[in-house]
Amino acid sequence: QITLKESGPTLVKPTQTLTLTCTFSGFSLSTFAVGVGWIRQPPGKALEWLALIYWNDDKRYSPSLKSRLTITKDTSKNQVVLTMTNMDPVDTATYYCAHRPRQLFPNNYFDYWGQGILVTVSS
Amino acid sequence: QSMLTQPPSVSAAPGQKVTISCSGSSSNIGNNYVSWYQHLPGTAPKLLIYDNNKRPSEIPDRFSGSKSGTSANLGITGLQTGDEADYYCGTWDSRLSAVLFGGGTKLTVL
Repeated sequence: QITLKESGPTLVKPTQTLTLTCTFSGFSLSTFAVGVGWIRQPPGKALEWLALIYWNDDKRYSPSLKSRLTITKDTSKNQVVLTMTNMDPVDTATYYCAHRPRQLFPNNYFDYWGQGILVTVSS
Repeated sequence: QSMLTQPPSVSAAPGQKVTISCSGSSSNIGNNYVSWYQHLPGTAPKLLIYDNNKRPSEIPDRFSGSKSGTSANLGITGLQTGDEADYYCGTWDSRLSAVLFGGGTKLTVL
Protein backbone atom coordinates (compact mmCIF):
# COMPACT_ATOMS: atom_id res chain seq x y z
CA GLN A 1 0.00 0.00 0.00
CA ILE A 2 1.50 3.28 -1.14
CA THR A 3 1.05 6.34 1.05
CA LEU A 4 2.56 9.81 0.95
CA LYS A 5 2.35 12.65 3.45
CA GLU A 6 3.49 16.23 3.16
CA SER A 7 4.92 18.13 6.10
CA GLY A 8 6.35 21.56 6.67
CA PRO A 9 5.37 25.06 7.74
CA THR A 10 1.83 26.20 7.10
CA LEU A 11 2.74 29.88 7.32
CA VAL A 12 5.77 31.56 5.80
CA LYS A 13 6.68 35.19 5.40
CA PRO A 14 7.33 36.86 2.05
CA THR A 15 10.93 36.42 0.83
CA GLN A 16 11.46 33.39 3.08
CA THR A 17 12.40 29.94 1.78
CA LEU A 18 9.82 27.17 2.01
CA THR A 19 10.98 23.65 2.76
CA LEU A 20 8.48 20.83 2.39
CA THR A 21 9.08 17.17 3.08
CA CYS A 22 7.24 14.26 1.50
CA THR A 23 7.48 11.09 3.58
CA PHE A 24 6.31 7.99 1.79
CA SER A 25 5.86 4.28 2.29
CA GLY A 26 4.99 1.28 0.17
CA PHE A 27 7.64 1.86 -2.47
CA SER A 28 11.32 2.62 -2.83
CA LEU A 29 12.71 5.57 -4.71
CA SER A 30 15.63 3.39 -5.70
CA THR A 31 13.34 1.23 -7.86
CA PHE A 32 13.89 1.61 -11.58
CA ALA A 33 11.72 4.28 -13.25
CA VAL A 34 9.86 5.32 -10.10
CA GLY A 35 9.56 9.00 -9.21
CA VAL A 36 8.01 11.51 -6.82
CA GLY A 37 6.53 14.79 -7.92
CA TRP A 38 5.29 17.98 -6.32
CA ILE A 39 2.13 19.70 -7.47
CA ARG A 40 0.35 22.69 -6.00
CA GLN A 41 -3.09 24.25 -6.19
CA PRO A 42 -3.66 27.91 -5.27
CA PRO A 43 -7.10 28.59 -3.79
CA GLY A 44 -9.72 28.53 -6.52
CA LYS A 45 -7.17 27.76 -9.22
CA ALA A 46 -5.92 24.77 -11.18
CA LEU A 47 -3.32 22.17 -10.38
CA GLU A 48 0.22 23.28 -11.21
CA TRP A 49 3.13 20.87 -11.52
CA LEU A 50 6.32 22.01 -9.77
CA ALA A 51 9.01 19.35 -9.85
CA LEU A 52 9.76 15.66 -10.30
CA ILE A 53 12.64 13.51 -9.12
CA TYR A 54 13.34 10.05 -10.53
CA TRP A 55 14.92 6.96 -9.02
CA ASN A 56 18.24 7.76 -10.72
CA ASP A 57 18.29 11.31 -9.27
CA ASP A 58 17.27 12.88 -12.57
CA LYS A 59 15.30 16.02 -11.79
CA ARG A 60 12.83 18.09 -13.77
CA TYR A 61 11.35 21.46 -12.88
CA SER A 62 8.54 23.71 -14.00
CA PRO A 63 10.18 26.13 -16.45
CA SER A 64 8.44 29.13 -14.88
CA LEU A 65 9.66 28.28 -11.36
CA LYS A 66 12.93 26.51 -12.07
CA SER A 67 15.12 29.27 -10.63
CA ARG A 68 13.37 29.04 -7.27
CA LEU A 69 12.98 25.26 -6.84
CA THR A 70 15.22 22.47 -5.63
CA ILE A 71 14.09 18.86 -5.24
CA THR A 72 16.15 16.22 -3.47
CA LYS A 73 15.64 12.70 -2.20
CA ASP A 74 16.82 10.66 0.75
CA THR A 75 16.23 7.07 -0.26
CA SER A 76 17.21 5.69 3.14
CA LYS A 77 14.58 7.83 4.86
CA ASN A 78 11.93 7.44 2.15
CA GLN A 79 11.69 11.21 1.84
CA VAL A 80 11.67 13.81 -0.89
CA VAL A 81 12.30 17.45 -0.04
CA LEU A 82 11.21 20.48 -2.06
CA THR A 83 12.60 23.92 -1.37
CA MET A 84 11.17 27.07 -2.89
CA THR A 85 13.00 30.34 -2.39
CA ASN A 86 11.75 33.91 -2.25
CA MET A 87 8.17 33.05 -1.31
CA ASP A 88 5.42 35.49 -2.27
CA PRO A 89 1.73 35.70 -1.36
CA VAL A 90 0.89 34.34 -4.82
CA ASP A 91 2.61 31.11 -3.75
CA THR A 92 -0.15 30.50 -1.22
CA ALA A 93 -1.48 27.08 -2.17
CA THR A 94 -2.07 23.51 -1.15
CA TYR A 95 1.09 21.59 -1.96
CA TYR A 96 0.86 17.89 -2.85
CA CYS A 97 3.46 15.23 -3.34
CA ALA A 98 2.61 12.26 -5.53
CA HIS A 99 4.01 8.92 -6.69
CA ARG A 100 5.07 8.53 -10.30
CA PRO A 101 4.75 4.83 -11.13
CA ARG A 102 7.27 2.75 -12.98
CA GLN A 103 6.86 3.88 -16.58
CA LEU A 104 9.06 4.44 -19.56
CA PHE A 105 10.16 8.06 -19.85
CA PRO A 106 8.59 10.48 -20.72
CA ASN A 107 5.26 9.01 -19.70
CA ASN A 108 4.66 10.85 -16.44
CA TYR A 109 1.51 10.57 -14.38
CA PHE A 110 0.74 10.27 -10.68
CA ASP A 111 -1.23 7.38 -9.24
CA TYR A 112 -0.98 8.07 -5.51
CA TRP A 113 -1.18 11.48 -3.88
CA GLY A 114 -0.69 12.84 -0.42
CA GLN A 115 -3.48 14.74 1.30
CA GLY A 116 -1.69 18.03 0.74
CA ILE A 117 -0.52 20.80 2.99
CA LEU A 118 -1.90 24.32 2.82
CA VAL A 119 0.91 26.87 2.87
CA THR A 120 0.00 30.51 3.39
CA VAL A 121 2.46 33.25 2.55
CA SER A 122 1.78 36.34 4.60
CA SER A 123 3.63 38.83 6.73
CA GLN B 1 -3.00 30.18 -18.69
CA SER B 2 -2.50 26.44 -19.13
CA MET B 3 -1.12 25.00 -22.37
CA LEU B 4 -3.82 22.35 -22.12
CA THR B 5 -7.26 23.81 -22.72
CA GLN B 6 -10.30 22.42 -20.94
CA PRO B 7 -13.82 23.84 -20.75
CA PRO B 8 -14.28 25.60 -17.40
CA SER B 9 -17.48 23.74 -16.67
CA VAL B 10 -19.84 21.05 -17.91
CA SER B 11 -23.14 19.83 -16.56
CA ALA B 12 -25.59 17.00 -17.10
CA ALA B 13 -28.40 15.23 -15.34
CA PRO B 14 -27.98 12.10 -13.21
CA GLY B 15 -27.76 8.99 -15.35
CA GLN B 16 -26.65 10.93 -18.41
CA LYS B 17 -23.27 11.00 -20.14
CA VAL B 18 -20.76 13.84 -20.29
CA THR B 19 -17.54 14.38 -22.21
CA ILE B 20 -14.72 16.65 -21.06
CA SER B 21 -12.22 17.74 -23.67
CA CYS B 22 -8.54 18.61 -23.36
CA SER B 23 -6.79 20.34 -26.23
CA GLY B 24 -3.04 20.67 -26.61
CA SER B 25 -0.36 20.61 -29.27
CA SER B 26 2.11 18.32 -30.98
CA SER B 27 4.72 18.85 -28.26
CA ASN B 28 2.42 17.52 -25.56
CA ILE B 29 -0.79 15.58 -26.25
CA GLY B 30 0.15 14.93 -29.85
CA ASN B 31 3.18 12.84 -28.93
CA ASN B 32 2.69 11.79 -25.31
CA TYR B 33 0.25 9.86 -23.16
CA VAL B 34 -2.64 11.62 -21.44
CA SER B 35 -3.90 11.06 -17.91
CA TRP B 36 -7.03 12.29 -16.15
CA TYR B 37 -7.65 13.13 -12.50
CA GLN B 38 -10.72 13.70 -10.36
CA HIS B 39 -10.38 16.26 -7.58
CA LEU B 40 -12.93 16.83 -4.88
CA PRO B 41 -12.35 19.84 -2.61
CA GLY B 42 -10.31 19.02 0.45
CA THR B 43 -9.19 15.66 -0.84
CA ALA B 44 -6.24 14.30 -2.77
CA PRO B 45 -6.61 14.16 -6.56
CA LYS B 46 -7.47 10.68 -7.82
CA LEU B 47 -6.08 9.12 -10.99
CA LEU B 48 -8.92 8.08 -13.30
CA ILE B 49 -7.21 7.37 -16.61
CA TYR B 50 -3.60 6.84 -17.68
CA ASP B 51 -1.93 5.98 -20.98
CA ASN B 52 -4.82 7.75 -22.78
CA ASN B 53 -7.44 5.12 -22.07
CA LYS B 54 -6.43 2.76 -19.25
CA ARG B 55 -8.19 2.66 -15.92
CA PRO B 56 -6.67 1.77 -12.54
CA SER B 57 -8.38 -1.35 -11.25
CA GLU B 58 -10.49 0.51 -8.71
CA ILE B 59 -11.96 2.96 -11.22
CA PRO B 60 -15.36 1.88 -12.61
CA ASP B 61 -15.81 1.47 -16.34
CA ARG B 62 -18.21 4.43 -16.34
CA PHE B 63 -15.03 6.44 -16.83
CA SER B 64 -13.25 6.22 -20.19
CA GLY B 65 -10.51 8.08 -22.01
CA SER B 66 -9.64 8.63 -25.64
CA LYS B 67 -7.13 10.59 -27.67
CA SER B 68 -7.02 11.79 -31.24
CA GLY B 69 -4.25 13.96 -32.60
CA THR B 70 -3.63 16.82 -30.20
CA SER B 71 -6.85 16.41 -28.22
CA ALA B 72 -8.11 14.01 -25.59
CA ASN B 73 -11.48 13.33 -24.02
CA LEU B 74 -12.72 11.99 -20.73
CA GLY B 75 -16.13 10.35 -20.86
CA ILE B 76 -18.33 9.66 -17.87
CA THR B 77 -21.53 7.66 -18.25
CA GLY B 78 -24.29 6.97 -15.75
CA LEU B 79 -23.60 10.24 -13.96
CA GLN B 80 -24.00 10.25 -10.21
CA THR B 81 -24.11 13.16 -7.78
CA GLY B 82 -20.89 11.82 -6.31
CA ASP B 83 -19.18 12.54 -9.63
CA GLU B 84 -19.43 16.28 -8.98
CA ALA B 85 -15.81 17.36 -8.88
CA ASP B 86 -13.07 19.11 -10.78
CA TYR B 87 -11.44 17.08 -13.55
CA TYR B 88 -7.94 17.66 -14.89
CA CYS B 89 -6.07 16.28 -17.85
CA GLY B 90 -2.32 15.86 -17.69
CA THR B 91 0.53 15.02 -19.99
CA TRP B 92 4.22 15.56 -20.68
CA ASP B 93 5.47 18.35 -22.88
CA SER B 94 8.54 17.25 -24.81
CA ARG B 95 9.59 20.77 -25.81
CA LEU B 96 9.37 22.16 -22.26
CA SER B 97 10.47 18.92 -20.61
CA ALA B 98 7.66 19.47 -18.13
CA VAL B 99 4.48 17.90 -16.78
CA LEU B 100 1.40 19.86 -17.81
CA PHE B 101 -2.05 19.96 -16.27
CA GLY B 102 -5.12 21.41 -17.92
CA GLY B 103 -6.98 24.32 -16.41
CA GLY B 104 -9.58 21.99 -14.94
CA THR B 105 -13.26 21.40 -15.64
CA LYS B 106 -15.93 21.63 -12.97
CA LEU B 107 -18.60 18.95 -13.42
CA THR B 108 -22.05 19.67 -12.09
CA VAL B 109 -24.60 16.88 -11.92
CA LEU B 110 -27.92 18.67 -12.00
